[in-house]
Amino acid sequence: DIQMTQSPSSLSASVGDRVTITCRASQGINIYLAWFQQKPGKAPKSLIYAASSLQSGVPSKFSGSGSGTDFTLTITSLQPEDFATYYCQQYNSYPYTFGQGTKLEIK
Amino acid sequence: QVQLQESGPGLVKPSETLSLTCVVSGYSITSGYYWGWIRQPPGKGLEWIASIHYSGNTYYNPSLKSRVTISVNTPKSQVSLKLTSVTAADTAVYYCASEGGLTRVRGVMDVWGKGTTVTVSS
Repeated sequence: DIQMTQSPSSLSASVGDRVTITCRASQGINIYLAWFQQKPGKAPKSLIYAASSLQSGVPSKFSGSGSGTDFTLTITSLQPEDFATYYCQQYNSYPYTFGQGTKLEIK
Repeated sequence: QVQLQESGPGLVKPSETLSLTCVVSGYSITSGYYWGWIRQPPGKGLEWIASIHYSGNTYYNPSLKSRVTISVNTPKSQVSLKLTSVTAADTAVYYCASEGGLTRVRGVMDVWGKGTTVTVSS
């Protein structure tokens, strides 16, 4: 299985800040990486696929980059509704695997 | 607009079989790439369980493969999951997701249901 490791596991930031979350794959996955946002009690929401393609309706404050084994999710101008848990997921090969999550909290 | 609605028993006894159903609406189940199930234990991360194409082609997580069966009922526009010999470790929220239904990219879980909570307890 491909292991996905996110860092940091938690992150405190203020409204208006810019934050970056990193996701590393245990082996190369080309650009077959997705990012999700999950709020408490809700289903995950797809933000980005193919490492950098924004899902329809997702604001451009979210951006992704990377290929191979190292990827990043950047969120600019944080707003209260952005504080949530973020997951990366590889779909290069089965079994699909997720990172452990990064909890973004308000400072 | 694609909508997915999961349903299940809520409470299952240890060693019994868990059966879940996902109803797909607003989209033809034969138009999507794959349909998948993912679960999330309380306070923990996401685990992919299985995926199926409407033609019947399936993929399973090896960690659960011996206990899991995913199936599709095209006339009813439903995707089902069965998990046998459940234990407390199977307690989780179970989600159904469309793979590529919107993005047309296989493997991209672009639409999710709201999830159904399953508790394994006697």
